[in-house]
Amino acid sequence: GAVVSQHPSWVICKSGTSVKIECRSLDFQATTMFWYRQFPKQSLMLMATSNEGSKATYEQGVEKDKFLINHASLTLSTLTVTSAHPEDSSFYICSARRLAGVWGTGYEQYFGPGTRLTVT
Amino acid sequence: DAKTTQPPSMDCAEGRAANLPCNHSTISGNEYVYWYRQIHSQGPQYIIHGLKNNETNEMASLIITEDRKSSTLILPHATLRDTAVYYCIVRVAYNQGGKLIFGQGTELSVKP
Repeated sequence: GAVVSQHPSWVICKSGTSVKIECRSLDFQATTMFWYRQFPKQSLMLMATSNEGSKATYEQGVEKDKFLINHASLTLSTLTVTSAHPEDSSFYICSARRLAGVWGTGYEQYFGPGTRLTVT
Repeated sequence: DAKTTQPPSMDCAEGRAANLPCNHSTISGNEYVYWYRQIHSQGPQYIIHGLKNNETNEMASLIITEDRKSSTLILPHATLRDTAVYYCIVRVAYNQGGKLIFGQGTELSVKP
């Protein structure tokens, strides 16, 4: 399958600061990227969908001013957690989708390895 | 969104087949069933997907009932490295965003 990378793999920041997480599709162009969040012992929760060159679509209950998403190119999306607080500590996972893949369903979707954010 | 129901946990002996069930009784005709797995502290890994026919690849087989209201993922010869949380997902229709919405999954423990 295709490769999706995330940077950093883990980050510790102080309360009130902002943190940027990068998601890259390494060997394909991703017209759409997704951001998920996962708390310990819980499932993945979809936060937002971003399409290249347009504004992200946030899921209900996700603060768009707190979680800034930018999808400026077909291979890069960034998630910025602004004014982070301890309750934002979580595992953030991105996913990239490409069209007309080999799956015969019109697109394929791959996940990155995740970024562990700890806010102190 | 079509919901899925999976048992929270299952055990399987190493070398045996692991059969993971999933109910998706509200699935629509154009919605696909996807299976991913997540090994601890990693991103989900794609396993297999299908619409109505049974599917097989190098990792697993997917059996979908004729009425499409349930499916079973089969790992033919489970190994210790197959210990993970397995997610059965009904993918939202493409014209509605095509999102993958994760449920609680089944925690599979493969034991020696």
